[in-house]
Amino acid sequence: DVKVTQSSRYLVKRTGEKVFLECVQDMDHENMFWYRQDPGLGLRLIYFSYDVKMKEKGDIPEGYSVSREKKERFSLILESASTNQTSMYLCASSFVQGSPEAFFGQGTRLTVV
Amino acid sequence: EDQVTQSPEALRLQEGESSSLNCSYTVSGLRGLFWYRQDPGKGPEFLFTLYSAGEEKEKERLKATLTKKESFLHITAPKPEDSATYLCAVLRSNDYKLSFGAGTTVTVRA
Repeated sequence: DVKVTQSSRYLVKRTGEKVFLECVQDMDHENMFWYRQDPGLGLRLIYFSYDVKMKEKGDIPEGYSVSREKKERFSLILESASTNQTSMYLCASSFVQGSPEAFFGQGTRLTVV
Repeated sequence: EDQVTQSPEALRLQEGESSSLNCSYTVSGLRGLFWYRQDPGKGPEFLFTLYSAGEEKEKERLKATLTKKESFLHITAPKPEDSATYLCAVLRSNDYKLSFGAGTTVTVRA
């Protein structure tokens, strides 16, 4: 079974803190994604990466950065957390070739106070 | 721009009462249409991939179908454990990014 693991289920951080969300996948997928999910807004893509050290902005990249130093690991960084970044964050991965479906982690509920 | 619209937003069913969820889409060059199930507070769980019009996939009480403009997720004789939000997403050819619909929240009462 594909496994996408996010480092935390719940996080509470203070405004202005630097926050790291980690994601690891075990399927040798080339693509990895970070989404946020908010009520009424659905899933919105923050960043994605199609290879090690490669990244592209998604629909809402402002206030976020990412790092992909190894194929299996994709990190989302909130440089200076703000209350409007309180959300559910979801990591996903998929193949470039072959089966295109994306598999998701269990999510990280981040609260910024 | 790709558009994915799911209806209804919410569906309340009695146990055993079959129904269908709709996902209509506009995308140039469909590579695949995906259905996911999401339980509260958890990540989406992959259900099906559909590639071309006329294709059908089944899993237990769920059956997904695809036409050139929409997909249906049929729930046959649902049970309370089928209560969840069902998400539809599309992937364009030569692209990596999924475009998601807003989801349909299904509640099945015993």
